[in-house]
Amino acid sequence: QVQLHESGPGLVKPSETLSLTCTVSDGPIRHYYWIWIRQPPGKRLECIGYVDHNGNTNYNPSLKSRVTISVDTSKSQFSLSLRSMTPADTAVYYCARSPFFDFYFDKWGPGTLVTVPS
Amino acid sequence: QSALIQPASVSGSPGQSITISCTGASRDVETFNHVSWYRQSPGQAPKLTIYEGTKRPLGVSDRFSASRSGNAASLTISGLQAEDEATYYCCSFETNVLTWVFGGGTKLTVL
Repeated sequence: QVQLHESGPGLVKPSETLSLTCTVSDGPIRHYYWIWIRQPPGKRLECIGYVDHNGNTNYNPSLKSRVTISVDTSKSQFSLSLRSMTPADTAVYYCARSPFFDFYFDKWGPGTLVTVPS
Repeated sequence: QSALIQPASVSGSPGQSITISCTGASRDVETFNHVSWYRQSPGQAPKLTIYEGTKRPLGVSDRFSASRSGNAASLTISGLQAEDEATYYCCSFETNVLTWVFGGGTKLTVL
């Protein structure tokens, strides 16, 4: 049964860069999109962007200028880099999986809370 | 990106049925097939409940069903049970920007 798990710092200072990694266990990297999604406290879920096993990416237009998502197939990991963090970026960050040519998230990581203090 | 609009809350008694609407999720049949629904309990990750508009993943009760009416998608839960209490989110893949957008979430209370 494939599992996803996020790792990274729980606290990031304003103006710094957030780096998170999602490790994919017991499942293939190919034939899926790998997505980062976040949820600010009490707010709706927001798709940040996604990557495939070839490193092709697509980003939410509202975050595109600050985001880089990459994949390391040898480690079964994909990563998120979000630059110039502000308190508005405080959220639970989830990694998730979507099968190629489908439009839903069938697996999610448990999420990790990232706080940017004001 | 298009906005998906859901009611903030809905409630029902055990055994009753409720419906949660998601306006803006369906301009046509193709976009309706891009709609999925997720349930989220406090402190947990969302869980896939409906995909491709109306399909249920293995393990999801047949008390959960979904449909389309005009530009809205809907999730119906019949035979409400206490365990159904959660927040439900609709989601659609936006082909114009090639990314997903979520509704604001609907908190279901079982009275």
